[in-house]
Amino acid sequence: RKEVEQDPGPFNVPEGATVAFNCTYSNSASQSFFWYRQDCRKEPKLLMSVYSSGNEDGRFTAQLNRASQYISLLIRDSKLSDSATYLCVVSSGSARQLTFGSGTQLTVLP
Amino acid sequence: GAGVSQSPSNKVTEKGKDVELRCDPISGHTALYWYRQSLGQGLEFLIYFQGNSAPDKSGLPSDRFSAERTGGSVSTLTIQRTQQEDSAVYLCASSLAGGGYEKLFFGSGTQLSVL
Repeated sequence: RKEVEQDPGPFNVPEGATVAFNCTYSNSASQSFFWYRQDCRKEPKLLMSVYSSGNEDGRFTAQLNRASQYISLLIRDSKLSDSATYLCVVSSGSARQLTFGSGTQLTVLP
Repeated sequence: GAGVSQSPSNKVTEKGKDVELRCDPISGHTALYWYRQSLGQGLEFLIYFQGNSAPDKSGLPSDRFSAERTGGSVSTLTIQRTQQEDSAVYLCASSLAGGGYEKLFFGSGTQLSVL
C-alpha cells in the first residue's frame, strides 16, 4: 500500500462547479499536511496547509480527518485557471518523511 | 528576490555518461531537497541537506547517485553511468529551516533524458 494515495482522475468539471478530492495516508504518526498545485510541466507550489480544525482560503477548503486518515480539498466555483494537478503531501516531522502523493488531475472546462 | 534556480533546464545524454545537475536555493534557506518525478508520478525523495548536518541520503536509488552542497548554498546532484530509467524531471526545493513542517519552494526542474 502506498504511504499517500490519491485518485489520479482526471476530473473534468464545468466552470462554476464544486469539486472535491480526497487523499488517504497510511502513517498514523503523520503530523503535517499540505496541498500543492502543479501546473503542466511546472514545479509544484504550495496551495495551502491543512490544519486539524479545517481551514479555508477563498474558494478552497481543506479538511483533515485523523481517525480515518484522510485529507480533502474542496474547490468551489471552479475557474479555468484551477486546471492543474493537485498533490497531497503528508509529513511525519522529518524531511525524509515528507511524502508526496501522485496527484489528482483537474481540468475545468468552459 | 530570486527563487530556486536549477540548471540546465533540459539535459539529453547517452546511456553510460555522467551528468551533473545544479541547484541554487533561495538565499538564507538552510534546507535543500532533491526529488525525482517520473511522468505521471509523484515526487520521489532523493536527498536532504540541512545546514551543516550530515545529509539524509536515504532516498538515493543507487550508488550511481551522489550529491553535495558547498558552503551551505549551491548543490550539485551527480548521476554516474546514466541508465534509461534515470530519465525523469529532477526537482530541487529549499525551505527556511527544514524539518518537514514548512513550505517548500521548488525550482523549475531539470528534464533529464537518457537515450
